Amino acid sequence: EPEVTQTPSHQVTQMGQEVILRCVPISNHLYFYWYRQILGQKVEFLVSFYNNEISEKSEIFDDQFSVERPDGSNFTLKIRSTKLEDSAMYFCASTRQRANYGYTFGSGTRLTVV
Amino acid sequence: EDQVTQSPEALRLQEGESSSLNCSYTVSGLRGLFWYRQDPGKGPEFLFTLYSAGEEKEKERLKATLTKKESFLHITAPKPEDSATYLCAVPPDSSNTGKLIFGQGTTLQVKP
Repeated sequence: EPEVTQTPSHQVTQMGQEVILRCVPISNHLYFYWYRQILGQKVEFLVSFYNNEISEKSEIFDDQFSVERPDGSNFTLKIRSTKLEDSAMYFCASTRQRANYGYTFGSGTRLTVV
Repeated sequence: EDQVTQSPEALRLQEGESSSLNCSYTVSGLRGLFWYRQDPGKGPEFLFTLYSAGEEKEKERLKATLTKKESFLHITAPKPEDSATYLCAVPPDSSNTGKLIFGQGTTLQVKP
């Protein structure tokens, strides 16, 4: 069964450093998303991406965040200057049709900012 | 404000003891209600989509139902491998980009 692959599975970074979280969505999917989950809290929407541009972003997704699809397979989330409160699980998801919310999620990257 | 609320937060069952999980939502124009299963340290795994009141979907020991303001996930004769957090989610009224808002989940533990 096709999978969404995320790397690394765990990243520890110092406050103020830049991090890039990587995702390889399912190959024939067209809509891509990043969500995050702070420990013990809800899964929260960050950004949706289609046709090489951001479709929607949340209030969390400020100027410190950016997304990119640098080639036909990768989808990245960059945090420019990490803060302690950015510590969370970050999930990438993809779907073939916008109206089909049965996303396939990756296993996540656990980001720890120290 | 669009909201999704799940109850109970945690549920402990004996193997074989059936029960139900609840998800209530406040979006005015429902465009689907989505159930996911999440295992510890993993991403959510899609289970069901329900679109209209009265609709039911089944998968193994799970059956999801939908009314105008809530959904139930019924677990019949659960097994230890059904232990997980069950999440429900809906698209908010204000968005048509595929965004979902999630409830906080119900963590189910099934003891042998």
